[in-house]
Amino acid sequence: DGGITQSPKYLFRKEGQNVTLSCEQNLNHDAMYWYRQDPGQGLRLIYYSQIVNDFQKGDIAEGYSVSREKKESFPLTVTSAQKNPTAFYLCASSYYQDEQFFGPGTRLTVL
Amino acid sequence: QQQVKQSPQSLIVQKGGISIINCAYENTAFDYFPWYQQFPGKGPALLIAIRPDVSEKKEGRFTISFNKSAKQFSLHIMDSQPGDSATYFCAASMKSGGSQGNLIFGKGTKLSVKP
Repeated sequence: DGGITQSPKYLFRKEGQNVTLSCEQNLNHDAMYWYRQDPGQGLRLIYYSQIVNDFQKGDIAEGYSVSREKKESFPLTVTSAQKNPTAFYLCASSYYQDEQFFGPGTRLTVL
Repeated sequence: QQQVKQSPQSLIVQKGGISIINCAYENTAFDYFPWYQQFPGKGPALLIAIRPDVSEKKEGRFTISFNKSAKQFSLHIMDSQPGDSATYFCAASMKSGGSQGNLIFGKGTKLSVKP
């Protein structure tokens, strides 16, 4: 089945820890995106990548980092510098400048 | 100028009624306007999208109306069903611009359809 997978579904982080969220797609899409969703705030863009080995900051990149070593994978690391990381994280992918398809999301909670 | 304003924040409709969600934008360079549907705990799914060269697009019970001069677009759900209960997001992007297709989302409308 083609699609976007995110893991884990739920993730718990202690104060001061870095955690990495996985996003994989087998749709052969060029572009991949990370969004953060908070209640009543819509979706806000964290990072995006149009091609392998290249990525750009979105609107709320502080405290996050990404890599794009393979076309299929775009992991997001939530660093200890992110002071309020509890949120629902969504990964998306698309062909260049085409409609975006979203994964099922990862819910991150800080303990 | 990059914002997309969505209203209402929540909406309750009786089964069989019409649900209407509105969005407004400022940036006239936006040229792609999708609507996404999201169920609790799931990722958003593309519902329907429109480009500014048409004023209306219909797919089944879902219709987008687009008013270029007013910089507004709306989603109409005809014959609303309890299964339509979800959060709906409008979005806008410049497919031909420097932002390379990045979507700007409204804050969402939580729709509840009562039986």
